[in-house]
Amino acid sequence: NAGVTQTPKFQVLKTGQSMTLQCAQDMNHEYMSWYRQDPGMGLRLIHYSVGAGITDQGEVPNGYNVSRSTTEDFPLRLLSAAPSQTSVYFCASSPEGTGLNEQFFGPGTRLTVL
Amino acid sequence: DQQVKQNSPSLSVQEGRISILNCDYTNSMFDYFLWYKKYPAEGPTFLISISSIKDKNEDGRFTVFLNKSAKHLSLHIVPSQPGDSAVYFCAASSYGSSNTGKLIFGQGTTLQVKP
Repeated sequence: NAGVTQTPKFQVLKTGQSMTLQCAQDMNHEYMSWYRQDPGMGLRLIHYSVGAGITDQGEVPNGYNVSRSTTEDFPLRLLSAAPSQTSVYFCASSPEGTGLNEQFFGPGTRLTVL
Repeated sequence: DQQVKQNSPSLSVQEGRISILNCDYTNSMFDYFLWYKKYPAEGPTFLISISSIKDKNEDGRFTVFLNKSAKHLSLHIVPSQPGDSAVYFCAASSYGSSNTGKLIFGQGTTLQVKP
């Protein structure tokens, strides 16, 4: 099992550009989520999904879109990148029954918006 | 408004001694608490959790204590090892009221264990 994989590992964007951060898991987990980590802020939930076709907003959803067409994949789209979106982004998954509690995290994507 | 707070950004202890990491929360609806550990350039990994119906949970060298009246939890690592050096995040959720149990994380505490 590869677990939770994220691509790319690093990305630099210009203000206004759009891009998609990819996330995939091979553990057949129902729950998937996206977090951002900023210095002094811990991890904050952006969007989450409780199953294919079902998504919902977290604490900081503005400027981001998600979709969940399959159990395995949960991409995060930045519609028009802003410097405030410079952060490290983590995708996570967890099996049904544990909610979003005991999650398995990917290695992260470090995004810089100039 | 920070609902989960880790007021110590860093902690340094000697190998073999006890490490105590602290966490405070403000939301009385939280009923499930967790600790995650994070090494540089890696994602966080789940370490240990505790339900609000308990006041202690132990897993090997790691013990989490919950004081609901003080809205405080702590993680004890005994004995501390150099490999424990990492950032530790406290997290909380109101799992009982929601099937999704969305986590609220603290800011993290960087633990350094000196050989």
